[in-house]
Amino acid sequence: GAVVSQHPSRVICKSGTSVKIECRSLDFQATTMFWYRQFPKQSLMLMATSNEGSKATYEQGVEKDKFLINHASLTLSTLTVTSAHPEDSSFYICSARQGGEAYEQYFGPGTRLTVT
Amino acid sequence: AQSVTQLDSHVSVSEGTPVLLRCNYSSSYSPSLFWYVQHPNKGLQLLLKYTSAATLVKGINGFEAEFKKSETSFHLTKPSAHMSDAAEYFCVVSVGGNQFYFGTGTSLTVIP
Repeated sequence: GAVVSQHPSRVICKSGTSVKIECRSLDFQATTMFWYRQFPKQSLMLMATSNEGSKATYEQGVEKDKFLINHASLTLSTLTVTSAHPEDSSFYICSARQGGEAYEQYFGPGTRLTVT
Repeated sequence: AQSVTQLDSHVSVSEGTPVLLRCNYSSSYSPSLFWYVQHPNKGLQLLLKYTSAATLVKGINGFEAEFKKSETSFHLTKPSAHMSDAAEYFCVVSVGGNQFYFGTGTSLTVIP
Protein backbone atom coordinates (compact mmCIF):
# COMPACT_ATOMS: atom_id res chain seq x y z
CA GLY A 1 0.00 0.00 0.00
CA ALA A 2 0.79 3.72 0.06
CA VAL A 3 2.02 4.03 -3.50
CA VAL A 4 2.62 7.39 -5.14
CA SER A 5 3.10 7.73 -8.87
CA GLN A 6 4.37 10.58 -11.01
CA HIS A 7 3.82 11.26 -14.66
CA PRO A 8 5.76 11.72 -16.78
CA SER A 9 8.96 10.13 -15.53
CA ARG A 10 10.97 12.16 -18.02
CA VAL A 11 10.10 15.22 -20.06
CA ILE A 12 12.03 17.42 -22.43
CA CYS A 13 10.58 20.77 -23.35
CA LYS A 14 11.70 23.87 -25.18
CA SER A 15 12.56 27.07 -23.40
CA GLY A 16 9.50 29.28 -22.95
CA THR A 17 6.96 26.48 -22.91
CA SER A 18 5.08 25.11 -19.92
CA VAL A 19 5.09 21.57 -18.62
CA LYS A 20 2.77 19.84 -16.19
CA ILE A 21 3.82 17.07 -13.81
CA GLU A 22 1.23 14.90 -12.12
CA CYS A 23 1.49 13.28 -8.71
CA ARG A 24 -1.06 10.65 -7.74
CA SER A 25 -1.65 8.65 -4.60
CA LEU A 26 -2.79 5.31 -5.97
CA ASP A 27 -4.25 3.53 -2.98
CA PHE A 28 -4.88 6.16 -0.35
CA GLN A 29 -6.27 9.63 0.06
CA ALA A 30 -3.59 12.26 0.42
CA THR A 31 -4.73 15.25 2.39
CA THR A 32 -1.33 16.86 1.95
CA MET A 33 1.14 16.64 -0.89
CA PHE A 34 4.64 18.05 -1.07
CA TRP A 35 6.79 19.03 -4.03
CA TYR A 36 10.56 18.82 -3.88
CA ARG A 37 13.32 19.72 -6.27
CA GLN A 38 16.64 17.95 -6.42
CA PHE A 39 19.72 19.18 -8.23
CA PRO A 40 22.36 16.69 -9.34
CA LYS A 41 24.16 15.10 -6.43
CA GLN A 42 22.35 17.30 -3.94
CA SER A 43 19.67 16.84 -1.36
CA LEU A 44 15.96 17.47 -1.77
CA MET A 45 14.68 20.99 -1.41
CA LEU A 46 11.07 21.48 -0.40
CA MET A 47 9.33 23.77 -2.87
CA ALA A 48 5.78 23.82 -1.60
CA THR A 49 3.15 22.10 0.48
CA SER A 50 -0.34 21.67 -0.85
CA ASN A 51 -3.50 20.71 0.97
CA GLU A 52 -6.48 19.44 -0.95
CA GLY A 53 -8.83 22.22 -1.90
CA SER A 54 -6.67 25.09 -0.75
CA LYS A 55 -3.79 27.17 -2.06
CA ALA A 56 -0.31 25.80 -1.83
CA THR A 57 2.19 27.16 0.65
CA TYR A 58 5.48 27.97 -1.03
CA GLU A 59 8.88 27.94 0.60
CA GLN A 60 10.91 31.10 0.65
CA GLY A 61 12.57 31.78 -2.67
CA VAL A 62 10.20 29.64 -4.73
CA GLU A 63 8.27 31.65 -7.31
CA LYS A 64 4.62 30.70 -7.01
CA ASP A 65 3.77 32.22 -10.39
CA LYS A 66 6.38 30.08 -12.04
CA PHE A 67 5.66 26.84 -10.23
CA LEU A 68 1.89 26.49 -10.20
CA ILE A 69 0.57 23.84 -7.86
CA ASN A 70 -2.95 22.49 -7.91
CA HIS A 71 -4.31 19.91 -5.48
CA ALA A 72 -7.83 19.51 -6.78
CA SER A 73 -8.57 16.09 -5.35
CA LEU A 74 -7.44 13.82 -2.56
CA THR A 75 -5.45 11.70 -5.00
CA LEU A 76 -3.98 14.20 -7.44
CA SER A 77 -1.66 17.16 -7.28
CA THR A 78 -0.07 18.84 -10.27
CA LEU A 79 2.99 21.02 -10.64
CA THR A 80 3.14 23.22 -13.72
CA VAL A 81 6.43 24.83 -14.61
CA THR A 82 5.47 27.89 -16.60
CA SER A 83 7.70 29.55 -19.19
CA ALA A 84 10.41 27.03 -18.50
CA HIS A 85 14.07 27.95 -18.81
CA PRO A 86 17.16 25.75 -18.83
CA GLU A 87 17.84 26.56 -15.18
CA ASP A 88 14.52 24.89 -14.33
CA SER A 89 15.98 21.59 -15.48
CA SER A 90 15.98 19.36 -12.44
CA PHE A 91 14.57 16.26 -10.80
CA TYR A 92 11.16 16.96 -9.29
CA ILE A 93 9.83 14.63 -6.61
CA CYS A 94 6.44 14.68 -4.97
CA SER A 95 5.35 13.06 -1.75
CA ALA A 96 2.01 12.51 -0.13
CA ARG A 97 0.81 12.22 3.41
CA GLN A 98 -2.13 10.11 4.37
CA GLY A 99 -4.82 11.70 6.48
CA GLY A 100 -4.29 10.70 10.10
CA GLU A 101 -0.69 9.61 9.62
CA ALA A 102 1.04 12.57 11.10
CA TYR A 103 4.59 11.49 10.59
CA GLU A 104 5.11 9.77 7.29
CA GLN A 105 5.38 10.87 3.69
CA TYR A 106 5.31 8.53 0.73
CA PHE A 107 7.50 9.58 -2.17
CA GLY A 108 6.90 9.34 -5.88
CA PRO A 109 9.58 8.08 -8.28
CA GLY A 110 10.41 11.55 -9.54
CA THR A 111 10.23 13.39 -12.85
CA ARG A 112 13.34 14.41 -14.75
CA LEU A 113 12.72 17.73 -16.50
CA THR A 114 15.12 18.93 -19.16
CA VAL A 115 14.58 22.34 -20.73
CA THR A 116 16.43 22.91 -23.98
CA ALA B 1 14.10 24.39 14.72
CA GLN B 2 14.92 21.09 13.10
CA SER B 3 18.00 20.12 11.16
CA VAL B 4 19.98 17.10 10.12
CA THR B 5 23.71 16.66 9.65
CA GLN B 6 25.07 13.74 7.73
CA LEU B 7 28.65 13.60 8.79
CA ASP B 8 30.07 11.89 5.71
CA SER B 9 29.31 12.95 2.17
CA HIS B 10 30.85 9.76 0.85
CA VAL B 11 31.50 6.33 2.35
CA SER B 12 33.31 3.50 0.65
CA VAL B 13 33.27 -0.09 1.95
CA SER B 14 34.24 -3.48 0.64
CA GLU B 15 31.54 -5.99 -0.15
CA GLY B 16 30.79 -8.11 2.90
CA THR B 17 32.08 -5.57 5.42
CA PRO B 18 29.94 -3.49 7.79
CA VAL B 19 28.33 -0.23 6.79
CA LEU B 20 28.01 2.80 9.05
CA LEU B 21 26.34 5.99 7.82
CA ARG B 22 26.25 8.72 10.43
CA CYS B 23 23.45 11.14 11.13
CA ASN B 24 23.02 13.73 13.86
CA TYR B 25 19.88 15.72 14.31
CA SER B 26 18.67 18.82 16.05
CA SER B 27 15.06 19.18 17.09
CA SER B 28 13.13 21.31 19.52
CA TYR B 29 10.52 18.59 19.97
CA SER B 30 10.32 14.84 19.94
CA PRO B 31 11.33 14.03 16.39
CA SER B 32 10.48 11.34 13.93
CA LEU B 33 13.55 10.15 12.07
CA PHE B 34 13.85 8.36 8.77
CA TRP B 35 16.45 6.91 6.48
CA TYR B 36 15.75 6.85 2.76
CA VAL B 37 17.77 5.35 -0.06
CA GLN B 38 17.90 6.71 -3.59
CA HIS B 39 19.35 4.82 -6.50
CA PRO B 40 20.48 6.83 -9.55
CA ASN B 41 17.62 8.64 -11.28
CA LYS B 42 15.10 7.00 -8.99
CA GLY B 43 12.77 8.20 -6.26
CA LEU B 44 13.25 7.68 -2.56
CA GLN B 45 12.66 4.37 -0.86
CA LEU B 46 12.04 4.24 2.87
CA LEU B 47 14.57 2.05 4.67
CA LEU B 48 13.35 2.54 8.20
CA LYS B 49 11.75 5.01 10.56
CA TYR B 50 11.79 5.93 14.24
CA THR B 51 8.61 7.39 15.71
CA SER B 52 9.11 7.23 19.51
CA ALA B 53 8.71 3.50 19.88
CA ALA B 54 11.69 1.14 20.18
CA THR B 55 15.01 2.96 19.90
CA LEU B 56 16.58 0.21 17.79
CA VAL B 57 14.79 0.18 14.49
CA LYS B 58 15.09 -2.57 11.93
CA GLY B 59 14.45 -1.79 8.32
CA ILE B 60 14.50 -3.44 4.94
CA ASN B 61 17.48 -5.13 3.31
CA GLY B 62 19.24 -5.79 6.62
CA PHE B 63 19.61 -2.16 7.64
CA GLU B 64 19.00 -0.92 11.14
CA ALA B 65 19.42 2.31 13.07
CA GLU B 66 19.53 3.26 16.71
CA PHE B 67 17.98 6.40 18.10
CA LYS B 68 20.25 7.86 20.79
CA LYS B 69 18.68 10.87 22.37
CA SER B 70 21.68 11.67 24.55
CA GLU B 71 23.89 11.84 21.47
CA THR B 72 21.20 13.24 19.16
CA SER B 73 22.19 10.58 16.67
CA PHE B 74 20.45 8.15 14.37
CA HIS B 75 23.23 6.25 12.62
CA LEU B 76 22.41 3.68 9.95
CA THR B 77 24.20 0.34 10.00
CA LYS B 78 24.31 -2.93 8.13
CA PRO B 79 26.47 -5.90 9.11
CA SER B 80 27.51 -6.88 5.61
CA ALA B 81 27.45 -4.65 2.55
CA HIS B 82 26.12 -5.91 -0.75
CA MET B 83 26.89 -4.49 -4.17
CA SER B 84 23.24 -3.50 -4.55
CA ASP B 85 23.56 -1.23 -1.51
CA ALA B 86 25.54 1.30 -3.54
CA ALA B 87 23.31 4.37 -3.61
CA GLU B 88 22.65 7.74 -2.01
CA TYR B 89 21.28 7.70 1.53
CA PHE B 90 19.33 10.49 3.17
CA CYS B 91 18.64 11.00 6.85
CA VAL B 92 15.45 12.94 7.53
CA VAL B 93 13.98 14.53 10.64
CA SER B 94 10.38 15.55 11.02
CA VAL B 95 8.19 16.94 13.75
CA GLY B 96 4.55 16.19 13.28
CA GLY B 97 5.14 15.10 9.71
CA ASN B 98 4.37 18.51 8.37
CA GLN B 99 7.82 19.14 7.03
CA PHE B 100 10.71 16.86 6.32
CA TYR B 101 14.21 18.19 6.84
CA PHE B 102 16.69 16.33 4.67
CA GLY B 103 20.34 15.83 5.32
CA THR B 104 22.73 16.50 2.48
CA GLY B 105 23.06 12.82 1.73
CA THR B 106 25.79 10.19 1.92
CA SER B 107 26.93 8.42 -1.19
CA LEU B 108 27.77 4.78 -0.47
CA THR B 109 30.20 2.95 -2.73
CA VAL B 110 30.62 -0.79 -2.37
CA ILE B 111 33.89 -2.20 -3.65
CA PRO B 112 33.82 -5.76 -4.97
